[in-house]
Amino acid sequence: DSGVTQTPKHLITATGQRVTLRCSPRSGDLSVYWYQQSLDQGLQFLIQYYNGEERAKGNILERFSAQQFPDLHSELNLSSLELGDSALYFCASSVVAENTEAFFGQGTRLTVV
Amino acid sequence: GESVGLHLPTLSVQEGDNSIINCAYSNSASDYFIWYKQESGKGPQFIIDIRSNMDKRQGQRVTVLLNKTVKHLSLQIAATQPGDSAVYFCAENMGAAGNKLTFGGGTRVLVKP
Repeated sequence: DSGVTQTPKHLITATGQRVTLRCSPRSGDLSVYWYQQSLDQGLQFLIQYYNGEERAKGNILERFSAQQFPDLHSELNLSSLELGDSALYFCASSVVAENTEAFFGQGTRLTVV
Repeated sequence: GESVGLHLPTLSVQEGDNSIINCAYSNSASDYFIWYKQESGKGPQFIIDIRSNMDKRQGQRVTVLLNKTVKHLSLQIAATQPGDSAVYFCAENMGAAGNKLTFGGGTRVLVKP
């Protein structure tokens, strides 16, 4: 158990809908990351927050947004969902913001039908 | 909960033998590298990391080698065990602000009893 908690574990929703994925980082970790793992793209970095502020951005679609709250938990919002958004979404966390190992949660499997 | 459905290169190794997993990274400016292990249905798990000012680092049964000249990273697992069966990913941080880990495509390791 990495100490990173993601909810829900599974999510099935229809195209065009909006969902929110939730992540609680390890105790003491200030940085939170979101990754997407799909069959054809592998593990893709989406975005990183550090102590509530956006720190680094990857190939995150405009339909997706994220935030980190004062209690350091994070949410990833996915809107106008398309079939191609079906994937595993991982959250990870770390103590510091740069050049450090990130500890991953178990992921949320999103299926868009 | 399979990690990826990509056509992954596969390394079959006999239990007790040593394994070597190779990775070519893309950016000569990358200054931090990590190896992750992902078992079916789980998130990536940190194995070992190395910074660009080093060329070798050892952990418990694992060694990472970094060759910056040819932008190559390898993970050696000594006395491979059935529990080592998983997909292994290398990741690089490209030296920009934040911890934007870019993952390679992964190698599947199958340990034969």
